[in-house]
Amino acid sequence: EIVLTQSPATLSLSPGERATLSCRASQNINTFLAWYQQKPGQAPRLLIYDASNRATGIPARFSGSGSGTDFTLTISSLEPEDFAVYYCQQRSNWPPITFGQGTRLEIK
Amino acid sequence: EVQLVESGGGLKQPGRSLRLSCAASGFTFTNYAIHWVRQAPGKGLEWVSSISATGGSAYYGDSVKGRFTISRDNSKNTVHLQLNSLRVDDTALYYCAKDRSTRVPSSGSFDSWGRGTLVTVSS
Repeated sequence: EIVLTQSPATLSLSPGERATLSCRASQNINTFLAWYQQKPGQAPRLLIYDASNRATGIPARFSGSGSGTDFTLTISSLEPEDFAVYYCQQRSNWPPITFGQGTRLEIK
Repeated sequence: EVQLVESGGGLKQPGRSLRLSCAASGFTFTNYAIHWVRQAPGKGLEWVSSISATGGSAYYGDSVKGRFTISRDNSKNTVHLQLNSLRVDDTALYYCAKDRSTRVPSSGSFDSWGRGTLVTVSS
């Protein structure tokens, strides 16, 4: 099973700042990685698929990069509504599909 | 508008069974794989099971293999997840989610989610 490790566990930033979230895979997953945002009491929302493609309706301040084992989600300038938990998810040769443990992005 | 509505959750004792349902609307149901993802209270996301658009292929996570069964009724735009031999660690909010792509095999990423149905397993 492919293990995804997200860092940091918690990121404290202020609105307007740039956020950089990392996800590392235990083996090469090409670009078969997605990012999701989850706010309290809500279902996850797809942000990025195949490492760098924004999902429908996702603002341009969200971008994804990486391939192989190292991936990054960048939020260029944080808006108040961006403070949430972010998960990466891999689908390389699934099943199984696996998720990272999440990064909590909190207001500083 | 895509809608996924889960139902069937509740409180069950260990060893008992439960059937969850996911009712879909707002898209061509027969073109998309459907997935179940669960989230234990205060924890992260765990993929549970997936079923192909035709229903001909089903996949399970190791923690539920042999206990859970996924099925779909394309005439009713519904997916079911049968949960047998429930364990305390099956306690979670169960989400159904639509696959992002109509490709075969499916993409394995999820572009629409329901609000979830809560399963609690306790004696």
